[in-house]
Amino acid sequence: SQTIHQWPATLVQPVGSPLSLECTVEGTSNPNLYWYRQAAGRGLQLLFYSVGIGQISSEVPQNLSASRPQDRQFILSSKKLLLSDSGFYLCAWSVAGGTYEQYFGPGTRLTVT
Amino acid sequence: AQSVTQPDIHITVSEGASLELRCNYSYGATPYLFWYVQSPGQGLQLLLKYFSGDTLVQGIKGFEAEFKRSQSSFNLRKPSVHWSDAAEYFCAVGRRGSQGNLIFGKGTKLSVKP
Repeated sequence: SQTIHQWPATLVQPVGSPLSLECTVEGTSNPNLYWYRQAAGRGLQLLFYSVGIGQISSEVPQNLSASRPQDRQFILSSKKLLLSDSGFYLCAWSVAGGTYEQYFGPGTRLTVT
Repeated sequence: AQSVTQPDIHITVSEGASLELRCNYSYGATPYLFWYVQSPGQGLQLLLKYFSGDTLVQGIKGFEAEFKRSQSSFNLRKPSVHWSDAAEYFCAVGRRGSQGNLIFGKGTKLSVKP
């Protein structure tokens, strides 16, 4: 069966510090991968998605970047965090060419102080 | 542009009562439709999905949803709510031919009174 991992679970970082959040998927090959941010009362905002290694599409211009160095690894990064980067970050995967259902990881709670 | 509307931000129901959460979408063709549930501090769990065929779909945890093309709706229902159903519920729409991207509603928070 497929499993999706995210770490860390929680993170407190000062403004201006770098960020690296990691997501890995097990039990499937060549998945589509997604990064979302969830702010209170604002639903889910798609940040990045990837349909293959090295292929990243950005949905929202911002202080963040994403990379996919391996087939089942998706990394969210920032060089300098802003207060507005605080939120709950969710990684998800779906079957490439499938029927679009996405499966979510447990999330990372990021607080920028 | 595609959009998903969940008109109710917060709903409170008594345990054992029936539940209906509303979802309306804007899309020219028949989309893929989903309902997800999120407990506090957790990721989203897929409850059910509609792609085609029978417009009444059954999901996990006793939930069902009905696709009504004429109303552009995909409402979630449960005949008898349990205290453990308290969570936030998200409706999502996928546009056929896109790269699997989903558009999510802003969510409905469900509280359950004992």
